[in-house]
Amino acid sequence: EEQVVESGGGLVQPGGSLRLSCEASGFSLSSYQMHWVRQAPGRGLEWVSSLGEKNTGIYYVESVKGRFTISRDNAKNSLYLQMNSLRAEDTAVYYCARDFDHRQNSLYYDSFDIWGQGTLVTVSS
Amino acid sequence: ATQMTQSPSSLSASVGDRVIITCRASQGIRNDLGWYQQKSGKAPKLLIYAASTLQSGVPSRFSGSGSGTDFTLTITSLQPEDFATYYCLQDYTYPRTFGQGTKVEV
Repeated sequence: EEQVVESGGGLVQPGGSLRLSCEASGFSLSSYQMHWVRQAPGRGLEWVSSLGEKNTGIYYVESVKGRFTISRDNAKNSLYLQMNSLRAEDTAVYYCARDFDHRQNSLYYDSFDIWGQGTLVTVSS
Repeated sequence: ATQMTQSPSSLSASVGDRVIITCRASQGIRNDLGWYQQKSGKAPKLLIYAASTLQSGVPSRFSGSGSGTDFTLTITSLQPEDFATYYCLQDYTYPRTFGQGTKVEV
């Protein structure tokens, strides 16, 4: 079964750091673009960051640029999100999602087809 | 950033009802749009990609349409397991952006 499992969440003080992990099983994470998506308590979904295949195509939402870093370890089949200078507004459940490309009529369409169960990050003093 | 305006934010419906949710993009996004279902406390689930293509395993009562800036998700004959929150997501450009969500409740 293809799945991803996030870990590394927890309680951290404002200004602190945390590293989230996303371990894939049933597929090779290196073959796919991967994303982090977060959801603040009682709020909607917010895309956070993407990492393309072969570690190209790195993108971030404006609010985390310069503070968060996405990376991948192919040997461990894992995706990471290093979060520094954390703020209260970063409090959320963080999901890892696989991006599957569907080909239709010579065009490719993205889809976030596999999601983890999420890991909760709480930034509070 | 491309803004996705989803409506309504919530709706009340009954089993058997036809439900329509709309999503409008602030700029043209071709048909690079997906629809996701999220149940309380669970991860989102992909329903539709490329605006109108049903993901494998998703019931045929779900359908999507639209291109450019205006998109719809239709659920024909709402089932008890369909009560959830639905989000659109544009995957045309970065940053990726979700709609605000539509909660479908009794």
